[in-house]
Amino acid sequence: DQQVKQNSPSLSVQEGRISILNCDYTNSMFDYFLWYKKYPAEGPTFLISISSIKDKNEDGRFTVFLNKSAKHLSLHIVPSQPGDSAVYFCAASYSGSARQLTFGSGTQLTVLP
Amino acid sequence: GAVVSQHPSWVICKSGTSVKIECRSLDFQATTMFWYRQFPKQSLMLMATSNEGSKATYEQGVEKDKFLINHASLTLSTLTVTSAHPEDSSFYICSARQGSANEKLFFGSGTQLSVL
Repeated sequence: DQQVKQNSPSLSVQEGRISILNCDYTNSMFDYFLWYKKYPAEGPTFLISISSIKDKNEDGRFTVFLNKSAKHLSLHIVPSQPGDSAVYFCAASYSGSARQLTFGSGTQLTVLP
Repeated sequence: GAVVSQHPSWVICKSGTSVKIECRSLDFQATTMFWYRQFPKQSLMLMATSNEGSKATYEQGVEKDKFLINHASLTLSTLTVTSAHPEDSSFYICSARQGSANEKLFFGSGTQLSVL
């Protein structure tokens, strides 16, 4: 049973437009969420996170929104740049899990110049 | 950010042989490292948590005798796939945490294992 789901395996966006990557989770005990970015032949790197006590966290061009009632979070990138092309993983953890992460399957974002 | 080195990046081996994968934190000490496995188009699945100086904690369904983990120092954890079979072919990736926050979780570049 996949507790963290990224239903869109791929997304293409024009440069300068907004990219919206979505993530759904089923475990209501999750209270911390992170997004990681992965380039080919490299390991994932941390991008942005949000605690369940918040519904929005912003860092430059990246904003993460959390809708706890819908068990849904999204990552907004605006404006999108070609260098943002990568695989984006959503991950979740809860306090009782020693901060172990449960990952989604990833979304390949392609930003077209 | 901090650097985690994982090697080899890819390995091809014959069925029945053992393969060792190394994960090193190059510029920080990591008391905890994690090993994941990823099948194509699927998520990173946590296999085990490697604790320096003690036994690894394996996730349900992961055979501890098949996937041997050793975390002998604060900068090195190894995963040995023993008696590899074709179904063990997968992408294996490690991570090391600097401190306790997952924002400080740094990943290796992964190892693609192909068992013939």
